[in-house]
Amino acid sequence: KAGVTQTPRYLIKTRGQQVTLSCSPISGHRSVSWYQQTPGQGLQFLFEYFSETQRNKGNFPGRFSGRQFSNSRSEMNVSTLELGDSALYLCASSLEGGVGNTIYFGEGSWLTVV
Amino acid sequence: AQRVTQPEKLLSVFKGAPVELKCNYSYSGSPELFWYVQYSRQRLQLLLRHISRESIKGFTADLNKGETSFHLKKPFAQEEDSAMYYCALISLGGYKYIFGTGTRLKVLA
Repeated sequence: KAGVTQTPRYLIKTRGQQVTLSCSPISGHRSVSWYQQTPGQGLQFLFEYFSETQRNKGNFPGRFSGRQFSNSRSEMNVSTLELGDSALYLCASSLEGGVGNTIYFGEGSWLTVV
Repeated sequence: AQRVTQPEKLLSVFKGAPVELKCNYSYSGSPELFWYVQYSRQRLQLLLRHISRESIKGFTADLNKGETSFHLKKPFAQEEDSAMYYCALISLGGYKYIFGTGTRLKVLA
């Protein structure tokens, strides 16, 4: 079974631009969650989607948004990029999300904002 | 506020020595606790969860609700245990995982 796939793996953007990251969950998984990983802050929860509905979100500004499609694939978008948005963005999927469900991580998308 | 605290950024031990990675949590309710591990150049993966009470790669973790802790332990460290370890919780009825900032374990030969 293929794992969680994230694209692109690496990208460099200029401050003020926007970026879209994509995540394909494990086949059959309907919950997708996103995290920002930085050396100082560790993993911080961005949002979680299930059946195209956002069920929970973290404490990030409105510049960070996401969506999920009917095939469970998910995208996250960051608009008006700032230098501080440079990070590894991780996507994880699980069957249904929540307690009792193991989440499986992708390899992440490395975003550098210059 | 929901929080997971891993007080040590780096823990170095010699091969064969016991290991304890500390994790304390702040949450009112009944969370589910996990340990995730990230080996060099690999993706983050589940090591163990408190509800299964199993031992993985010799690691165990006991949930202490009184001390709100979920420390990860191994009696004899191996060089292949060198990795980044994250403690995490998810709330009952919630869909938000909260991770600690991680502890890098280095096992020295």
